[in-house]
Parts: sequence; C-alpha cells; structure tokens
Amino acid sequence: AQKVTQAQTEISVVEKEDVTLDCVYETRDTTYYLFWYKQPPSGELVFLIRRNSFDEQNEISGRYSWNFQKSTSSFNFTITASQVVDSAVYFCALSDVWDSGAGSYQLTFGKGTKLSVIP
Amino acid sequence: DAGITQSPRYKITETGRQVTLMCHQTWSHSYMFWYRQDLGHGLRLIYYSAAADITDKGEVPDGYVVSRSKTENFPLTLESATRSQTSVYFCASSEPARGDTEAFFGQGTRLTVV
Repeated sequence: AQKVTQAQTEISVVEKEDVTLDCVYETRDTTYYLFWYKQPPSGELVFLIRRNSFDEQNEISGRYSWNFQKSTSSFNFTITASQVVDSAVYFCALSDVWDSGAGSYQLTFGKGTKLSVIP
Repeated sequence: DAGITQSPRYKITETGRQVTLMCHQTWSHSYMFWYRQDLGHGLRLIYYSAAADITDKGEVPDGYVVSRSKTENFPLTLESATRSQTSVYFCASSEPARGDTEAFFGQGTRLTVV
C-alpha cells in the first residue's frame, strides 16, 4: 500500500524566512510520480510540481525548490524568502504507475502542512 | 470556460435524501476522480474512472455511486445521505497518455448533511 507522511502539521514563519516542508513516502512500485499541491484559504487545490521516480534532479522555480531523494524516500519542498501569500496548506501526493505503464493514477495524499507566514 | 467545473459549490441536504454532485471537464482528459476532504483525514479517493464507462472504487466508496457515460462528465451520487458524508468534495481529471499525470482539480463542493 502507498503512504505519504507529512510530519509537520503546522508551521509558522516570519515573512522573508526560508521554510522547508517535509514529505516522506512509501511505495512498492518502481515507477511512480510525486506531486506538491497548494491549497490557499480560498479552498482550491493548485498543482505546483510533478516528479517521476526516474528523475532525481532537483528543481528551482523562482522562490520554490524541490529536493527529491529516492534513497530516503523523501520529496521536500522549500520556499525561499517566504511571503504572506504563501500562507496555505501544502499537500504532498504520490501516484501509482504499474510497470506496464498502466495504473489507476490515483493520488495518495499526505495530511497536509499548514503554513502561516506572519508579516 | 475551459477547465474543470463542479456544481453546486455549496449544498445542504437532509439525512436520507439522494444528492448528486456534478463534475464537467473540457480538456477531454481520460481519467477523472472524486476525492473527499475531511479534517484529520486529508484527501481520500472515493471513485475514479479511466475512460467513459469504466469506473472503479477508491479508498472510501461506500454510500456513493458514480457513472461516466460521457468523457467530460463524472457525476457523484450519494444514494441516501448520512451526516458522515458531510465533507468537501473535489473532482479532478488527468491525462497520463499525454504525460499529464498531474491531476487538475475543480473548485470543490461543500456538502452539509443535516
């Protein structure tokens, strides 16, 4: 069974601080996808990034960066110089892909980390 | 407008009533999903569909029925609503065949069962 753990339930930082959101996953699949989603106070779910299990290259996009380490089954997300608009719940998710390339592609979500950025 | 839309956005219903939540997407994505979001549980999959006329259960399917006669629509029906089904419901779609394995979500439907 797949499992995603976000150990940090809530984090508060002062504006302009850097913050890292942790995500640890479990899967028996050799091919899988990892995602981060953002849920602002307005409630919608916004896709941020996707990584497949064969691509361990870390990525930076503006103030966001992601650190994927297959050896530790972790997919952490860092916001540099946080802003009040970053306040949201962030979800890490895992999607199955069978070796044949088929799969349900259903997402298994962590329980989310609520980030509060204080001005 | 293109995208994925859910209706209604808010619904209050009584215990025992049947209620249907609608989901419509304009991307022609093959995969569609229904999730529910509850405090303490995060998002859990109710049902998903890999194509028209193909549906399968997720983690929490009891009390729900889905159908998918057309690619673009994926309605979710609560046959006899219970208070435990009070939740926020999200519909999503994706198209893995085009490499779009990420799911795009609708705005959500907040359902209250009284």
